[in-house]
Amino acid sequence: KAGVTQTPRYLIKTRGQQVTLSCSPISGHRSVSWYQQTPGQGLQFLFEYFSETQRNKGNFPGRFSGRQFSNSRSEMNVSTLELGDSALYLCASTLRGGSFFTDTQYFGPGTRLTVL
Amino acid sequence: GENVEQHPSTLSVQEGDSAVIKCTYSDSASNYFPWYKQELGKGPQLIIDIRSNVGEKKDQRIAVTLNKTAKHFSLHITETQPEDSAVYFCAASTAGANNLFFGTGTRLTVIP
Repeated sequence: KAGVTQTPRYLIKTRGQQVTLSCSPISGHRSVSWYQQTPGQGLQFLFEYFSETQRNKGNFPGRFSGRQFSNSRSEMNVSTLELGDSALYLCASTLRGGSFFTDTQYFGPGTRLTVL
Repeated sequence: GENVEQHPSTLSVQEGDSAVIKCTYSDSASNYFPWYKQELGKGPQLIIDIRSNVGEKKDQRIAVTLNKTAKHFSLHITETQPEDSAVYFCAASTAGANNLFFGTGTRLTVIP
Protein backbone atom coordinates (compact mmCIF):
# COMPACT_ATOMS: atom_id res chain seq x y z
CA LYS A 1 0.00 0.00 0.00
CA ALA A 2 1.43 3.38 -0.97
CA GLY A 3 2.37 5.73 1.83
CA VAL A 4 1.57 9.38 2.35
CA THR A 5 2.71 11.54 -0.53
CA GLN A 6 3.40 15.25 -0.40
CA THR A 7 4.02 17.63 -3.27
CA PRO A 8 6.12 19.49 -3.97
CA ARG A 9 9.07 18.22 -1.93
CA TYR A 10 10.93 21.53 -2.11
CA LEU A 11 9.71 25.06 -2.61
CA ILE A 12 11.36 28.47 -2.61
CA LYS A 13 9.23 31.58 -2.25
CA THR A 14 9.77 35.23 -1.41
CA ARG A 15 8.23 37.23 1.39
CA GLY A 16 4.67 38.32 0.72
CA GLN A 17 3.88 35.51 -1.68
CA GLN A 18 1.46 32.70 -0.95
CA VAL A 19 1.98 28.96 -1.26
CA THR A 20 -0.15 25.84 -1.52
CA LEU A 21 1.09 22.43 -0.41
CA SER A 22 -0.60 19.15 -1.22
CA CYS A 23 -0.97 15.89 0.67
CA SER A 24 -2.41 12.56 -0.46
CA PRO A 25 -3.13 10.24 2.48
CA ILE A 26 -2.83 6.48 2.52
CA SER A 27 -5.66 4.88 0.57
CA GLY A 28 -8.69 4.46 2.83
CA HIS A 29 -7.49 6.94 5.43
CA ARG A 30 -9.93 9.73 6.11
CA SER A 31 -8.11 12.08 8.43
CA VAL A 32 -5.22 14.35 7.51
CA SER A 33 -3.22 16.41 9.99
CA TRP A 34 -0.60 19.04 9.20
CA TYR A 35 2.48 19.89 11.24
CA GLN A 36 5.23 22.48 10.97
CA GLN A 37 8.77 21.45 11.89
CA THR A 38 11.46 24.05 12.58
CA PRO A 39 14.77 23.84 14.46
CA GLY A 40 13.60 26.42 16.97
CA GLN A 41 10.01 25.37 17.67
CA GLY A 42 10.18 21.67 16.85
CA LEU A 43 7.13 19.83 15.61
CA GLN A 44 3.93 21.82 16.02
CA PHE A 45 0.38 20.86 15.09
CA LEU A 46 -1.30 23.12 12.54
CA PHE A 47 -4.72 21.57 11.90
CA GLU A 48 -6.61 18.38 11.21
CA TYR A 49 -9.21 17.60 8.59
CA PHE A 50 -11.71 14.76 8.64
CA SER A 51 -14.53 14.29 6.13
CA GLU A 52 -13.73 17.65 4.54
CA THR A 53 -14.17 19.47 7.88
CA GLN A 54 -11.53 21.06 10.06
CA ARG A 55 -11.78 19.21 13.37
CA ASN A 56 -8.92 20.70 15.27
CA LYS A 57 -6.63 23.69 14.98
CA GLY A 58 -3.31 24.57 16.53
CA ASN A 59 -2.05 27.95 17.60
CA PHE A 60 -1.11 29.47 14.26
CA PRO A 61 -2.21 32.74 12.66
CA GLY A 62 -5.04 32.88 10.16
CA ARG A 63 -2.51 33.09 7.32
CA PHE A 64 -2.33 29.32 7.62
CA SER A 65 -5.37 27.56 6.23
CA GLY A 66 -6.28 24.23 4.75
CA ARG A 67 -8.95 22.17 3.16
CA GLN A 68 -9.78 18.58 2.42
CA PHE A 69 -11.42 17.17 -0.65
CA SER A 70 -13.96 14.37 -0.97
CA ASN A 71 -11.18 11.91 -1.86
CA SER A 72 -9.43 12.80 1.44
CA ARG A 73 -6.59 14.63 -0.29
CA SER A 74 -5.70 17.80 1.54
CA GLU A 75 -4.05 21.11 0.79
CA MET A 76 -2.67 23.73 3.09
CA ASN A 77 -2.17 27.34 2.13
CA VAL A 78 0.04 30.00 3.63
CA SER A 79 -0.63 33.55 2.57
CA THR A 80 1.62 36.59 2.90
CA LEU A 81 4.70 34.51 3.58
CA GLU A 82 7.15 35.62 6.25
CA LEU A 83 10.78 34.58 6.71
CA GLY A 84 9.75 32.66 9.83
CA ASP A 85 7.49 30.41 7.77
CA SER A 86 10.55 28.61 6.43
CA ALA A 87 10.09 25.08 7.68
CA LEU A 88 9.42 21.46 6.86
CA TYR A 89 5.68 20.99 6.53
CA LEU A 90 4.55 17.48 7.32
CA CYS A 91 1.29 15.80 6.58
CA ALA A 92 0.05 12.83 8.61
CA SER A 93 -2.60 10.36 7.55
CA THR A 94 -4.91 8.56 9.97
CA LEU A 95 -7.45 5.86 9.29
CA ARG A 96 -10.28 7.34 11.28
CA GLY A 97 -11.19 10.75 12.62
CA GLY A 98 -11.21 9.33 16.12
CA SER A 99 -13.84 9.58 18.82
CA PHE A 100 -12.70 7.64 21.85
CA PHE A 101 -9.67 6.07 20.23
CA THR A 102 -6.52 7.66 18.85
CA ASP A 103 -5.34 6.05 15.66
CA THR A 104 -1.76 5.86 14.50
CA GLN A 105 -0.58 8.78 12.41
CA TYR A 106 1.59 8.02 9.41
CA PHE A 107 3.74 10.85 8.18
CA GLY A 108 4.73 11.82 4.68
CA PRO A 109 8.24 12.96 3.70
CA GLY A 110 7.31 16.63 4.04
CA THR A 111 7.61 19.75 1.91
CA ARG A 112 10.66 21.88 2.60
CA LEU A 113 9.58 25.52 2.24
CA THR A 114 12.21 28.25 2.09
CA VAL A 115 11.09 31.87 2.25
CA LEU A 116 13.61 34.44 1.00
CA GLY B 1 -2.44 22.70 26.54
CA GLU B 2 -0.19 19.68 26.76
CA ASN B 3 3.55 20.18 27.35
CA VAL B 4 5.93 17.31 26.57
CA GLU B 5 9.53 17.45 27.74
CA GLN B 6 12.18 15.09 26.39
CA HIS B 7 15.66 14.22 27.64
CA PRO B 8 18.44 13.98 26.72
CA SER B 9 18.72 16.14 23.62
CA THR B 10 21.72 14.15 22.39
CA LEU B 11 22.84 10.64 23.22
CA SER B 12 25.89 8.71 22.03
CA VAL B 13 26.25 5.00 22.72
CA GLN B 14 28.58 2.25 21.62
CA GLU B 15 27.16 -0.32 19.24
CA GLY B 16 25.56 -3.11 21.25
CA ASP B 17 24.83 -0.93 24.28
CA SER B 18 21.36 0.19 25.35
CA ALA B 19 19.85 3.63 24.90
CA VAL B 20 17.13 5.19 27.04
CA ILE B 21 15.16 8.33 26.23
CA LYS B 22 12.74 9.84 28.72
CA CYS B 23 9.70 12.06 28.34
CA THR B 24 7.29 13.72 30.73
CA TYR B 25 3.89 15.19 29.96
CA SER B 26 1.64 17.62 31.77
CA ASP B 27 -1.95 16.82 30.79
CA SER B 28 -3.43 13.97 32.79
CA ALA B 29 -6.02 13.49 30.03
CA SER B 30 -3.33 12.31 27.60
CA ASN B 31 -3.62 8.60 26.97
CA TYR B 32 -1.77 7.84 23.75
CA PHE B 33 2.03 8.00 23.57
CA PRO B 34 3.79 7.25 20.27
CA TRP B 35 7.50 7.32 19.53
CA TYR B 36 8.81 8.38 16.14
CA LYS B 37 12.18 8.01 14.47
CA GLN B 38 13.22 10.63 11.94
CA GLU B 39 16.13 10.16 9.59
CA LEU B 40 17.68 12.95 7.57
CA GLY B 41 15.43 14.12 4.75
CA LYS B 42 12.52 11.94 5.80
CA GLY B 43 9.30 12.31 7.72
CA PRO B 44 8.87 10.82 11.20
CA GLN B 45 8.31 7.07 11.23
CA LEU B 46 6.35 5.41 14.03
CA ILE B 47 8.47 2.84 15.85
CA ILE B 48 6.26 1.98 18.79
CA ASP B 49 3.30 3.39 20.71
CA ILE B 50 1.58 2.77 24.02
CA ARG B 51 -1.86 3.54 25.39
CA SER B 52 -2.70 4.45 28.96
CA ASN B 53 -4.23 1.11 29.80
CA VAL B 54 -0.85 -0.57 29.29
CA GLY B 55 2.28 -0.09 31.40
CA GLU B 56 4.84 -1.60 29.07
CA LYS B 57 5.09 -2.70 25.47
CA LYS B 58 7.91 -4.42 23.64
CA ASP B 59 8.74 -5.01 20.00
CA GLN B 60 11.98 -6.89 19.44
CA ARG B 61 14.80 -4.53 20.54
CA ILE B 62 12.48 -1.65 21.34
CA ALA B 63 10.38 -1.21 24.47
CA VAL B 64 8.33 1.60 25.94
CA THR B 65 7.24 2.02 29.55
CA LEU B 66 4.54 4.32 30.88
CA ASN B 67 3.99 5.61 34.39
CA LYS B 68 0.68 7.47 34.41
CA THR B 69 0.94 8.46 38.05
CA ALA B 70 4.26 10.21 37.48
CA LYS B 71 3.28 11.32 33.96
CA HIS B 72 6.37 9.98 32.29
CA PHE B 73 7.19 7.44 29.62
CA SER B 74 10.46 6.08 28.29
CA LEU B 75 11.89 4.46 25.18
CA HIS B 76 14.42 1.68 25.58
CA ILE B 77 16.51 0.41 22.68
CA THR B 78 18.68 -2.61 23.38
CA GLU B 79 21.59 -3.99 21.34
CA THR B 80 21.87 -0.74 19.43
CA GLN B 81 23.08 -0.79 15.83
CA PRO B 82 24.51 1.99 13.64
CA GLU B 83 21.23 2.12 11.71
CA ASP B 84 19.48 3.16 14.92
CA SER B 85 21.24 6.52 14.59
CA ALA B 86 18.52 9.15 14.02
CA VAL B 87 16.43 11.73 15.86
CA TYR B 88 13.76 10.24 18.11
CA PHE B 89 10.62 12.09 19.15
CA CYS B 90 8.12 11.24 21.84
CA ALA B 91 4.57 12.55 21.62
CA ALA B 92 1.33 12.62 23.58
CA SER B 93 -2.30 12.90 22.63
CA THR B 94 -5.75 12.51 24.12
CA ALA B 95 -8.40 10.05 23.01
CA GLY B 96 -10.12 10.99 19.81
CA ALA B 97 -7.74 13.82 19.05
CA ASN B 98 -5.41 13.59 16.10
CA ASN B 99 -3.18 16.41 17.26
CA LEU B 100 0.07 15.12 18.67
CA PHE B 101 2.16 17.17 21.09
CA PHE B 102 5.80 16.39 20.45
CA GLY B 103 8.89 16.47 22.60
CA THR B 104 11.94 18.37 21.37
CA GLY B 105 13.71 15.29 20.07
CA THR B 106 16.79 13.25 20.95
CA ARG B 107 19.63 12.83 18.48
CA LEU B 108 20.92 9.30 18.99
CA THR B 109 24.33 8.38 17.61
CA VAL B 110 25.42 4.75 17.70
CA ILE B 111 29.20 4.47 17.42
CA PRO B 112 30.41 1.35 15.57
